[in-house]
Amino acid sequence: GESVGLHLPTLSVQEGDNSIINCAYSNSASDYFIWYKQESGKGPQFIIDIRSNMDKRQGQRVTVLLNKTVKHLSLQIAATQPGDSAVYFCAENDNDYKLSFGAGTTVTVRA
Amino acid sequence: GAVVSQHPSRVICKSGTSVKIECRSLDFQATTMFWYRQFPKQSLMLMATSNEGSKATYEQGVEKDKFLINHASLTLSTLTVTSAHPEDSSFYICSAARKSGGKQFFGPGTRLTVL
Repeated sequence: GESVGLHLPTLSVQEGDNSIINCAYSNSASDYFIWYKQESGKGPQFIIDIRSNMDKRQGQRVTVLLNKTVKHLSLQIAATQPGDSAVYFCAENDNDYKLSFGAGTTVTVRA
Repeated sequence: GAVVSQHPSRVICKSGTSVKIECRSLDFQATTMFWYRQFPKQSLMLMATSNEGSKATYEQGVEKDKFLINHASLTLSTLTVTSAHPEDSSFYICSAARKSGGKQFFGPGTRLTVL
């Protein structure tokens, strides 16, 4: 079946810099996308979502960009902080309302 | 609002025994609950979807007789791993949604270790 994937498995970023995490998806029928943050030993934490009728959405320090033409999703974190160190997953919601998760990107913030 | 809890947070059991994991929506009613499994350094894989009062729908490759799911009320779903073996050791995570297709709220996960 179709799946969601990530471009990079790890990302090291200097504290205060901006982070960009990328995600590629292949199911053109998906109409809802979510970014989650997962800290070690914990469940996923919702960060931000976006529907397919939008190409950009902003939250507090985070921005999600959706490019449906190339089936690409990205999460931008402004002024990355040590507390942002975690694994980040993109997920797509298909027509059956089930979530398909990408492989995950481990973000490490350097002090 | 929208808090989901799981119990226990960690469990260690002997091979061949059964283990029950509870998932509760604390401040909302969940029509639909989902169970995921996550192996170390891997992503979440959906195991099954359960709707209150009906049988769970299992994903391909997930044995329904081994992973028993019960969603008897709008605030509780249970996952029972029957005759657990070491390969069942994993991080089990549930999520709950107010309605089918609604936003999923995730629990904190349960770490199962089978000796």
